[in-house]
Amino acid sequence: SQQGEEDPQALSIQEGENATMNCSYKTSINNLQWYRQNSGRGLVHLILIRSNEREKHSGRLRVTLDTSKKSSSLLITASRAADTASYFCATEKNSGGSNYKLTFGKGTLLTVNP
Amino acid sequence: KAGVTQTPRYLIKTRGQQVTLSCSPISGHRSVSWYQQTPGQGLQFLFEYFSETQRNKGNFPGRFSGRQFSNSRSEMNVSTLELGDSALYLCASSAGWATNEKLFFGSGTQLSVL
Repeated sequence: SQQGEEDPQALSIQEGENATMNCSYKTSINNLQWYRQNSGRGLVHLILIRSNEREKHSGRLRVTLDTSKKSSSLLITASRAADTASYFCATEKNSGGSNYKLTFGKGTLLTVNP
Repeated sequence: KAGVTQTPRYLIKTRGQQVTLSCSPISGHRSVSWYQQTPGQGLQFLFEYFSETQRNKGNFPGRFSGRQFSNSRSEMNVSTLELGDSALYLCASSAGWATNEKLFFGSGTQLSVL
């Protein structure tokens, strides 16, 4: 079963607007990561937030993590048409160390209209 | 640094055949992971290798196998192909020493089984 589940499944906005995507997971984690994928290509790492962190920023990206609710959100500010892609959250389960495996959600398809 | 290289980019096979996919990680990376991506199941973890040793394996039948060579290059093999094996197969590399590492993905091999 999927560890991470993104919400919404699809999101359509206008250029310049902000986009927020949410991710929920089920078990204790070492970290949560967000990746981006353009139409069937490889995934590109966006940001990693560790379990003891609550918020991280990278350029126009802001990620929050609430371990008590087992949820994370990705905010993209001032979106551009080039941000159109699928966004995935992925979790590294806490198994007393690394189990060298990320569990991905099914993704949010973001469409930014010019 | 060159990125993760996967070959071939596209592959068409018929049921019952076998296939071998190749992945060259980023120079210096010793961990290689494989993921299967389908529209229905999303991204599913296949296995992870580090220094020629498999450290973790996903829930796939024994028809799916992999190996890693001393130069960290990896191959995965699928025998007795089924229609349901049609998918984008993604390889990712990382340094592999510890937890909280991000993955660098290749562009994938799109396998179609007819």
